[in-house]
Amino acid sequence: KNEVEQSPQNLTAQEGEFITINCSYSVGISALHWLQQHPGGGIVSLFMLSSGKKKHGRLIATINIQEKHSSLHITASHPRDSAVYICAVMEYGNKLVFGAGTILRVKS
Amino acid sequence: GAVVSQHPSWVICKSGTSVKIECRSLDFQATTMFWYRQFPKQSLMLMATSNEGSKATYEQGVEKDKFLINHASLTLSTLTVTSAHPEDSSFYICSARGREHLPYEQYFGPGTRLTVT
Repeated sequence: KNEVEQSPQNLTAQEGEFITINCSYSVGISALHWLQQHPGGGIVSLFMLSSGKKKHGRLIATINIQEKHSSLHITASHPRDSAVYICAVMEYGNKLVFGAGTILRVKS
Repeated sequence: GAVVSQHPSWVICKSGTSVKIECRSLDFQATTMFWYRQFPKQSLMLMATSNEGSKATYEQGVEKDKFLINHASLTLSTLTVTSAHPEDSSFYICSARGREHLPYEQYFGPGTRLTVT
């Protein structure tokens, strides 16, 4: 079993839909990252959070430390949101462990 | 703030040659830098961690003589792939953290795509 599990693996949505991507982990962590990777490969850090909830524009990330679970929400999705979304947890010892990623495609 | 750049963004080299990839922190001093690789359709895997003033720490299974890491200054780290082979073709990504950042923060570079022919 992987230490970091993401669901779904693939997601297709219509423009405007509300999207949720989930991340569950099995180890103790100090923080969790949500990353976005576009087809060209470049990685953008969306959120780093250790508790609660953060919001940037149409993106919202939440984390429940007790339940070892985080969600990334995209409101009013747009085709430009199409990318791979990666959850990565920072284990104690400051090593990042990455999930396999969720491939999101938003159709217009 | 916290911008990390990589150069080149892509490189093609012939088998047996060496190639150097640069990672720079543009607006902070990177006391810790990380190098990752990503094979097609796979997630990132940590290759090594480089702390200020000390040699890089390599992950299990990563050959230190093949992947030479030099944390030359507080704003520059280089990864040299020596005697490259086609199986080294991959996407190489660096990240960095400075003294002013929390221990869990990492800022990622845009990546370098290496193709060995």
